[in-house]
Parts: sequence; C-alpha cells; structure tokens
Amino acid sequence: DQQVKQNSPSLSVQEGRISILNCDYTNSMFDYFLWYKKYPAEGPTFLISISSIKDKNEDGRFTVFLNKSAKHLSLHIVPSQPGDSAVYFCAASDNNDMRFGAGTRLTVKP
Amino acid sequence: DVKVTQSSRYLVKRTGEKVFLECVQDMDHENMFWYRQDPGLGLRLIYFSYDVKMKEKGDIPEGYSVSREKKERFSLILESASTNQTSMYLCASSLLGGAGSYEQYFGPGTRLTVT
Repeated sequence: DQQVKQNSPSLSVQEGRISILNCDYTNSMFDYFLWYKKYPAEGPTFLISISSIKDKNEDGRFTVFLNKSAKHLSLHIVPSQPGDSAVYFCAASDNNDMRFGAGTRLTVKP
Repeated sequence: DVKVTQSSRYLVKRTGEKVFLECVQDMDHENMFWYRQDPGLGLRLIYFSYDVKMKEKGDIPEGYSVSREKKERFSLILESASTNQTSMYLCASSLLGGAGSYEQYFGPGTRLTVT
C-alpha cells in the first residue's frame, strides 16, 4: 500500500517557466518531508525538506509547500532550467520510517 | 561531501546464482539502507541497519539477506537469484536516529539483471 503518491509520472515545462510537482501522503504521523532529485545513472540526491511545523521552505529556485490538512506537498521550481530535467521523488517520514513516492520525470525544454 | 559507493554499476547473473552487492560509505554514518527501485513503485526498503551486526527488515526482505560487519560497509545478498529480482538496487546512509530522522545519501545504484 503506497503511503506516498506522486500521481503524475511525467511533467514537461518550458525553460524559464514554473515547474510544480505534487505529492500526496496518507499517514498523518509523517512529520518530515523531503524531495530528492535523480539523474540517469546516478543515485537520488537530497534537494530540500520541510518539517510539519512549517508550511513553506525555500532554497533558491526551489520552494516546498506543505498542506497538512490536505496531506499534500508540492515542489515549485522557478525559473525552470534544462539542467533541472530529472526524476523527482518525494519522501515522507516519521522518526522510524521513510516512504518514497514513485517519482515524477520532469523535462525542461529549452 | 558524503560519498556512498556501490561495487558494481551493472551486473548480469543467472537464475539460482548467489549475488553479492557491496556498499561503502565514508561519512561515519550509523544507518545504512538497501532499496530497490522499480518503475511505478518508487523506492522500496529491503533492509535497514542502524549499527554493526544489527539489521531490520524492510518492506520486501524475502529472498534477500544482509551483512554489516564494519560500520562503513553494508552488503546485500541474494541467496538464489530469480528473474523477479531484476531491478535497480540503491544503497543509502544517514546519521544515527530512526530510519526516518534524517535525509539519506544514496549511492549510484546497481542495475541487476537476472536471466
């Protein structure tokens, strides 16, 4: 049973525009949320995180939003660049468990 | 920089063979993990280790075993490889704490094909 869902397997955006990647979770005990980025032939790398006491965390072009009541988080990339093309995994955790979504493949077109 | 390395990037094995996947991390992390990544399923935890010689089963431990004799090294063993174990295998490490406490650092992955 997938506790973390990324319902869009792929997303394509134009360079310079905003990319919005979405993630839903079912377990209300999750209190820490992360986004990872994965290039082909490489392992996932940590991108940005947010704890449940916040609803927004920003790092440069990347912002993660958390809506606890909806059990939903999103990653905004502004402006999108071709080098952002990758697979993005969201993850949700409590102290003892971390669950990953299936990933969304982002393609940023020049 | 955290570095997690895996012994092979690509591996082809025959059904029934015993397979060893090795992972080494250089950041003195207590926790180490083995995942498999399959299309549409994301990353699924096979085993987790929080200390030398300590291990816990993840979601899909059947058909796998692990070994952690040294803090920096975590091995995944497929006792008798089967075609449904064809997958991408990812090793990760993190600081001491529960399995979900901190971000994990991943190796590059081993793509295993069992024929």
